[in-house]
Amino acid sequence: AAGVIQSPRHLIKEKRETATLKCYPIPRHDTVYWYQQGPGQDPQFLISFYEKMQSDKGSIPDRFSAQQFSDYHSELNMSSLELGDSALYFCASSPTGTTGMNTEAFFGQGTRLTVV
Amino acid sequence: GESVGLHLPTLSVQEGDNSIINCAYSNSASDYFIWYKQESGKGPQFIIDIRSNMDKRQGQRVTVLLNKTVKHLSLQIAATQPGDSAVYFCAEPPSRTGNQFYFGTGTSLTVIP
Repeated sequence: AAGVIQSPRHLIKEKRETATLKCYPIPRHDTVYWYQQGPGQDPQFLISFYEKMQSDKGSIPDRFSAQQFSDYHSELNMSSLELGDSALYFCASSPTGTTGMNTEAFFGQGTRLTVV
Repeated sequence: GESVGLHLPTLSVQEGDNSIINCAYSNSASDYFIWYKQESGKGPQFIIDIRSNMDKRQGQRVTVLLNKTVKHLSLQIAATQPGDSAVYFCAEPPSRTGNQFYFGTGTSLTVIP
């Protein structure tokens, strides 16, 4: 079965550089979530999209932006990278269930970003 | 806002023993919960879910119990195996489509051979 695909799997950037992370949700999933997870920490919600519109926003820095495209894939753009941005970045997708609410979220394998 | 949290950050069990991981939630209107397993360096994986019209649900070697009175749920793993070593999160899907999933603090389970 198709899963959530994230690219790249690993990324090394220098401080002040820019990075773009991509997420391809499971087909027919209309909601995408982005989470950041530092070493030994819980996933921290960044932002979500539903039907290509921003739906919810968490602790996403102003240096970061994201969007969901017409084919439902999403990109997280990170600028002026800082050492503290080094983390695993997860994307998840979710379908809307018969009740009109999101059901379970399926996670990708993540992109490990290292800022040096 | 809603919060979902776990009682203990770490748990060590002997191989073959049963494991119990607990989770508390604060929103009495919550009606759907999911347990995720996250192995090191990997994304969280769905284990089992439960809706508020149930108080127990069983899967393969896993059972989730929901106590709505005290807003508590637990994940029980029978005959714990080394492959069960991971961080376990309880999560609550959003009350509004597209809003964030709330994750509780993970419990790191270590299985001792």
